[in-house]
Amino acid sequence: EPEVTQTPSHQVTQMGQEVILRCVPISNHLYFYWYRQILGQKVEFLVSFYNNEISEKSEIFDDQFSVERPDGSNFTLKIRSTKLEDSAMYFCASIYPGGNTDTQYFGPGTRLTVL
Amino acid sequence: ELKVEQNPLFLSMQEGKNYTIYCNYSTTSDRLYWYRQDPGKSLESLFVLLSNGAVKQEGRLMASLDTKARLSTLHITAAVHDLSATYFCAVESDSGYALNFGKGTSLLVTP
Repeated sequence: EPEVTQTPSHQVTQMGQEVILRCVPISNHLYFYWYRQILGQKVEFLVSFYNNEISEKSEIFDDQFSVERPDGSNFTLKIRSTKLEDSAMYFCASIYPGGNTDTQYFGPGTRLTVL
Repeated sequence: ELKVEQNPLFLSMQEGKNYTIYCNYSTTSDRLYWYRQDPGKSLESLFVLLSNGAVKQEGRLMASLDTKARLSTLHITAAVHDLSATYFCAVESDSGYALNFGKGTSLLVTP
């Protein structure tokens, strides 16, 4: 069964450093998302991406964040200058909209630890 | 601001018992999703409810949606230990497919 994959599974970085989190969505999906979950808290929407551009973003997704689909398979989230409060689990998701079973499929997540 | 409220947030129940988790939301969306999350794991899709009155069942779990009341329920029948997990409901934003999640219900099923 197709699945969303993410790398790395765990990333440790120093405050102020740039990180890139990578995702490979399910191949025929059209919408791609990033969410984050701070330990013990709810899942929060960051950004959605469709047709090679951002379609929606939350207040969390400020100028420190960017997304890119550099080729036909990868979808990346970049944090330019990490802060302590960026420590969280980051989930990528994708969907092929339309139909009775469309749902967002989530990847396994990348745990980001900012020291 | 779209609100999604789940209750209870914590639930400890004995095996064999029944219980219901509630999800209230403020948007006019008619699509609601239930996900399961095991500790340290990703989100597993359980149910997609696409219209008013929708009811779906899978094993010991049954989900329903009342769009007029803006309420969804997740009913657990004869709980077993394997159901211990955190359950999230989520609603699409008005502007697109972005999901807004509730805080989750942490379920513990004990012998």
